[in-house]
Amino acid sequence: NAGVTQTPKFRVLKTGQSMTLLCAQDMNHEYMYWYRQDPGMGLRLIHYSVGEGTTAKGEVPDGYNVSRLKKQNFLLGLESAAPSQTSVYFCASSYREGGGARDEQFFGPGTRLTVL
Amino acid sequence: RKEVEQDPGPFNVPEGATVAFNCTYSNSASQSFFWYRQDCRKEPKLLMSVYSSGNEDGRFTAQLNRASQYISLLIRDSKLSDSATYLCAVSHMEYGNKLVFGAGTILRVKS
Repeated sequence: NAGVTQTPKFRVLKTGQSMTLLCAQDMNHEYMYWYRQDPGMGLRLIHYSVGEGTTAKGEVPDGYNVSRLKKQNFLLGLESAAPSQTSVYFCASSYREGGGARDEQFFGPGTRLTVL
Repeated sequence: RKEVEQDPGPFNVPEGATVAFNCTYSNSASQSFFWYRQDCRKEPKLLMSVYSSGNEDGRFTAQLNRASQYISLLIRDSKLSDSATYLCAVSHMEYGNKLVFGAGTILRVKS
């Protein structure tokens, strides 16, 4: 039982390049989330999904797209990377929306992305 | 004003000390409250949920003050292993019950 995994762990992009971050969970969770974490800003929600085939915008969605074609996978895409997207990206999943002892959000190990 | 605010610290305390963190939230409709722990360059992990009546888990006590809109985390008998960043998080229906995180408070416990 691997929990939540993310690939890649590190990536360096040039401005304008595209890439896809992959999140996978093996806990049969319905809900999945993508956050970014920047110094002094805390975790901010980019997009989320309440089930296979559904996605929704979070607090900071601009410049990102997502897809949830399979229940266990949640992909985050950057079509044209910008230096402002340099950040640490965390994926999380939960049995139901929100977080807590009964519906805790489980986080992946993160992807460190640098855009030059 | 940020929706969830925390003193960034760092709080530097000796082993065995008692330390407390507060976290204020601006939306009075917030419904659920949590403390997460994040070690350096690692992912956040749930430490405690915060209930209206307060709750305790070993050396950790969490409290909620709805009137003043803050939650607190008290750590007694601090250990070196408690050194981490502590994130508070709140959820409310305006965001579909998703979590809004504070920026975190850094705790350093020294021997």
